[in-house]
Amino acid sequence: EVQLLESGGGLVQPGGSLRLSCTASGFTFSKSPMTWVRQAPGKGLEWVSTISAAGGSTHYADSVNGRFTISRDNSKTTLYLEMTSLRVEDTAVYYCAKRSPAWGPPDNWGQGSLVTVSS
Amino acid sequence: EIVLTQSPATLSLSPGERATLSCRASQSITTDLAWYQQKPGQAPRLLIYDASNRATGIPARFGGSGSGTDFTLTISSLEPEDFAIYYCHQRSSWPITFGQGTRLEIK
Repeated sequence: EVQLLESGGGLVQPGGSLRLSCTASGFTFSKSPMTWVRQAPGKGLEWVSTISAAGGSTHYADSVNGRFTISRDNSKTTLYLEMTSLRVEDTAVYYCAKRSPAWGPPDNWGQGSLVTVSS
Repeated sequence: EIVLTQSPATLSLSPGERATLSCRASQSITTDLAWYQQKPGQAPRLLIYDASNRATGIPARFGGSGSGTDFTLTISSLEPEDFAIYYCHQRSSWPITFGQGTRLEIK
């Protein structure tokens, strides 16, 4: 059974930093591209970032480009999202999700980690 | 950026009725479209990928169709557990995007 467990969320002040982690199990992590998607309170889904299986290719939404960094440690089957210069509008539940090795749509999602940016 | 427009925003139906949800892309995405279901407090669940293929474990009452710019999710006979928010999603080009969602509510 695929399991994705996010951690690291919490309350941070505007301009602050936070690192999210997503620990994976139940599938071959090193063969799966991984994605972060966020959802602001009461709003829809917004793609944040994607990383290739080996980690050599990354993509970011314009809204986070230059502030967020996605990375992975295949030896630890863990995905990361380093978030800096946080803004109030970054407040959201952050989901990690796996994609199929063929770059299909996200097919398994974690339960999410809430990040609140507020003074 | 490819914009996905879902309609209607809200759909009010009764159990046993047929639901038809629409997703229109601002440019052709061939069949690189997926549908997700999300219930309150839960993560999204993949229903349909590549426009018309049911994901693992998805009941046969869920069906997807379309190609190019116009796509449809059909639920043939609504069950009580189907009332939720549905999102379409394209992976054809970066940035990947989601529609704004259709809320399916009990009439």
